[in-house]
Parts: sequence; structure tokens; C-alpha cells
Amino acid sequence: AQSVTQPDIHITVSEGASLELRCNYSYGATPYLFWYVQSPGQGLQLLLKYFSGDTLVQGIKGFEAEFKRSQSSFNLRKPSVHWSDAAEYFCAVGPTFTGGGNKLTFGTGTQLKVEL
Amino acid sequence: EAGVTQFPSHSVIEKGQTVTLRCDPISGHDNLYWYRRVMGKEIKFLLHFVKESKQDESGMPNNRFLAERTGGTYSTLKVQPAELEDSGVYFCASSPFESGENTGELFFGEGSRLTVL
Repeated sequence: AQSVTQPDIHITVSEGASLELRCNYSYGATPYLFWYVQSPGQGLQLLLKYFSGDTLVQGIKGFEAEFKRSQSSFNLRKPSVHWSDAAEYFCAVGPTFTGGGNKLTFGTGTQLKVEL
Repeated sequence: EAGVTQFPSHSVIEKGQTVTLRCDPISGHDNLYWYRRVMGKEIKFLLHFVKESKQDESGMPNNRFLAERTGGTYSTLKVQPAELEDSGVYFCASSPFESGENTGELFFGEGSRLTVL
């Protein structure tokens, strides 16, 4: 069965510092990979996704993620964190062929706190 | 364009009562999903509609949960009777229908927080 592990439940960084959120997955085949963010009072928003090709993908809000097949990882990074990045971040995997739908498997989330 | 909307945002009920959650997907999105997050745990899939048909309901916990999507527009998720372990945040998401390859993005609502006392 597929699973996603986000080992860090809480992370605190100073504004302007770099950030890396870890994500490891277990899946029968190479899945599609996603990072979503949930800011307070809002729904989950897609930050970026990896389908194929270049293993370093760029997303919104200055985020990027790198797919490493050998490590089954898809870590999220940002060079310089802003206070508005404080939110909860979710890594997810999904099937490559769906026949029309997209059933995602999520990790438990990482709560990011940004100190000013 | 309006996003996915969910109602109510927060519901507090007593064990044994009934609650109905509603989701209005983005207009034109044939796919509608329900997910649930129990406190501290991962967001888990409950079920998937394509228009008014249930495509996959493998994540529904038990027969106390009933989801409907009459007419293929909005959806309701009813919990009857509610138990303590049903507490959590229920998310709805929608996406356009694409036959074949996964196009990826789900559009999520803000969630409905259910507290069962």
C-alpha cells in the first residue's frame, strides 16, 4: 500500500533563513508527487507537482522541490523564508493514470512557524 | 471564479446526533472528492464522485457515513449517528474530468471542522 512520511511535525525557522521540509514515499510504481500548503483559514493550495522530466521542479511563492528516485524522496525547499510562509505543508502522492480522477495519499503534514 | 465552498465551517454536536456537511465544487468540475483529517493524522481519502456516480468509496469508514451528489453538482456527507471518533476536519476537493493521464491538481475547500462531544 502507498504511504507518505513527513518526519518533521513542527519546524521553526527565522525569517530569511533557508527551509527544507522532508517527504518520503512508498508506492508500487513511480507516482506523481505534490506539495500542498494550508494557511490559517484557507483550503489546501497546490505549491508544486512532479510528473516527469527535470527532477527539480519550481512552484509558487518561491518554493522548489527535488525528486530523488533512489531515495524515494521529494523534499521541499525555499532559500529565504518569509513570515507569510507560516502554514502547514502536506506532501502527497497520486497515480499516474487515473481514468479521469486523482486519488491522493497524504502525509501527516509539517507545521512551519516563522520567527521574526 | 468561485472556489470550492464548504458548509458549515464548524459543527459541534453530541454523540448520537446527525450532521450533514455540504460541498459546492468549482462549476464544471465533474470530479468531487471527500477527505478527512483526524487530529494529528494524515488527510485520508473517503470517496470520489464523477458527476453523480460514486467512482470509489473505499475510504468510507463505515455505514454511518452517507455521501450523495444528486444532479452531479453539490455534494453532501451525512454522519448518522455521530461517534466521538468522527471528530476531525472534512475536506472537499474538485477537479475537472480528464480521461487518461492524471493532470494533477485538486482544488480544495477550507474544510468543515466536526467536533463530536
